[in-house]
Amino acid sequence: ETVLTQSPGTLSVFSGGRATLSCRASQSVSSYLAWYQQKSGQAPRLLIYAASSRATGIPDRFSGSGSATDFTLTISRLEPEDFAVYYCQQYGSFPYTFGQGTKLEIK
Amino acid sequence: EVQLVESGGVVIQPGGSLRLSCAASGFTFDDYTMHWVRQAPGKGLEWVSLINWDGASTYYADSVRGRFTISRDNSKNSLYLQMNSLRSEDTALYYCAKGGLKITGQFDHWGQGTLVTVSS
Repeated sequence: ETVLTQSPGTLSVFSGGRATLSCRASQSVSSYLAWYQQKSGQAPRLLIYAASSRATGIPDRFSGSGSATDFTLTISRLEPEDFAVYYCQQYGSFPYTFGQGTKLEIK
Repeated sequence: EVQLVESGGVVIQPGGSLRLSCAASGFTFDDYTMHWVRQAPGKGLEWVSLINWDGASTYYADSVRGRFTISRDNSKNSLYLQMNSLRSEDTALYYCAKGGLKITGQFDHWGQGTLVTVSS
């Protein structure tokens, strides 16, 4: 099983600032990595797939990078609605796995 | 507009059985791989199972293999999860999610979930 480790567990950033979230895989997942945003009481929403492709309707403030075992989600010009929990997920091998999540909170 | 609506979640005793359903609309259901993903209260996301477009290929997480069965009825645009021998650790919000045209792919739409509580 591919274990995904996200860091940090909680990230505090000022509104208008930039957030950098990390996801590290225990083995290579190539570019088969996605990022999801989950707000309290809501279903997850796809942000990024194939490590760096933005999903439909996702603003360009969200960007993904990385390959193999190290991935980053960067959120620029943070807006109040961006404060949520973010999960990475690999779909390169079974079982598909998620990271434990990073909570992005307002500083 | 893609819509996924789960149903069937209840409070059930350990050892019991339950079938969850997911009604899909807004896309050509029988083209796509579908998934079940769960989230225990206050916890992260856990992928549960996958079924390909025609039901010929299924995959399961180790934690549910042998107890849960995923299926679909393309004539009804519906996805199912038969859950047997339920345990307290199966307590979670169960989401139905739309995958891609191939087995490998991200989850681009999610339902709102149905809550399963396993408790005596």
